[in-house]
Amino acid sequence: DIQMTQSPSAMSASVGDRVTISCRASQGISNYLAWFQQKPGRVPKRLIYAASSLQSGVPSRFSGSGSGTEFSLTISSLQPEDFATYYCLQYNNYPLTFGGGTKVEIK
Amino acid sequence: EVQLVESGGGLVQPGGSLRLSCAASGFTFSAHYMDWVRQAPGKGLEWVGRIRNKANSYTTEYAASVKGRFTISRDDSRNSLYLQLNSLKTEDAAMYHCTRVDNSGSLGAFDIWGQGTMVTVSS
Repeated sequence: DIQMTQSPSAMSASVGDRVTISCRASQGISNYLAWFQQKPGRVPKRLIYAASSLQSGVPSRFSGSGSGTEFSLTISSLQPEDFATYYCLQYNNYPLTFGGGTKVEIK
Repeated sequence: EVQLVESGGGLVQPGGSLRLSCAASGFTFSAHYMDWVRQAPGKGLEWVGRIRNKANSYTTEYAASVKGRFTISRDDSRNSLYLQLNSLKTEDAAMYHCTRVDNSGSLGAFDIWGQGTMVTVSS
């Protein structure tokens, strides 16, 4: 199975900060990586697919990059509604596997 | 409106069985692969399994943790997805979400999620 390692597992940031979350795959997955945002008590919402394609309706302050084994999600200017847990997902091989999550908290 | 609505969760004893359902609306259900994803309380996301569409013979894939115990099926005439859970273990306790798989490349990823149905396994 492909292991997805996210870092950091948690972070504190302020409104307006630039935030970057990393996701590393244990083997190459081309660009078949998605990012999800989950707020407490809510269903996960897809932000990015194919590593860098922005899901329709998602603000442009979210961006994704990477290929192979190294990926990142960047929030260019953190907004109050962005405090949440973020998960990466590889969908290049079965079983599909998620990263452990990154919780973004208010500083 | 595209919507997925799960039902059938509840409390079951270890070793017991449960059948979850997911009603789809607002899109051509028969065309899509469908997945189940679960999340234990306070934990991360775990992919459970997939069922392909008729064009791909309704074949299935499962996570190792559930293979041989869980079975995914679908009824395209009812726009419904099912998950049969057998030989349940305490570690199967989770919110179970049905998800729609889209054409985002390779195996496809989930773009639409249902609200989920909670499964509790306890004696």
